Amino acid sequence: QVQLVESGGGVVQPGGSLRLSCAASGFTFSSYGMHWVRQAPGKGLEWVAFIRYDGSNKYYADSVKGRFTISRDNSKNTLYLQMNSLRAEDTAVYYCAKDMVVFGVVAATPDYWGQGTLVTVSS
Amino acid sequence: DIQMTQSPSSLSASVGDRVTITCRASQSISSYLNWYQQKPGKAPKLLIYAASSLQSGVPSRFSGSGSGTDFTLTISSLQPEDFATYYCQQSYSTPVTFGQGTRLEIK
Repeated sequence: QVQLVESGGGVVQPGGSLRLSCAASGFTFSSYGMHWVRQAPGKGLEWVAFIRYDGSNKYYADSVKGRFTISRDNSKNTLYLQMNSLRAEDTAVYYCAKDMVVFGVVAATPDYWGQGTLVTVSS
Repeated sequence: DIQMTQSPSSLSASVGDRVTITCRASQSISSYLNWYQQKPGKAPKLLIYAASSLQSGVPSRFSGSGSGTDFTLTISSLQPEDFATYYCQQSYSTPVTFGQGTRLEIK
């Protein structure tokens, strides 16, 4: 069964950095694109970033472009999100999610989600 | 970016009721529309993809319809476990965008 386990969340000061990880199992990680989606406390879902199955293409929401970097290590079945220049408005639960389409090249349908990791940006 | 607007934002219903949630896209997205269910403190769960295809393991009381700009999620007979927040999401173009959510509460 598909399992996605996020880690790396915590409290960070504005302007600081954090790296999130997502350990994947139960499917052929290297065959699927992966997403990061976040949810601010009491708010709706906001897509953050997508990386192609082979890591060759990456897409970002305008709100994080230039500050966040999505990456993956297919040899370790792990997805990452490097977050720099963090702001209070980045406070959210961050979910990693697998895309539904095998060998998909664009962001489409997140079908399985991890349990999320909370990032709090506060002084 | 494509804007997704759900209605209503919240609704109250009783067990056994038939419920419909609508989602409207700011431009045509063909059938590139997905529906998710989220319960408090939990990750979203994919219910419907490509507007009307039921995700594996999802009860058949859930159904989706629509194409172009207007879509609906229908729950034919509400069960206690269906009280949750529902989101639509377009997969037609990047950035992927979600509706603001519809909170389904017990009457």
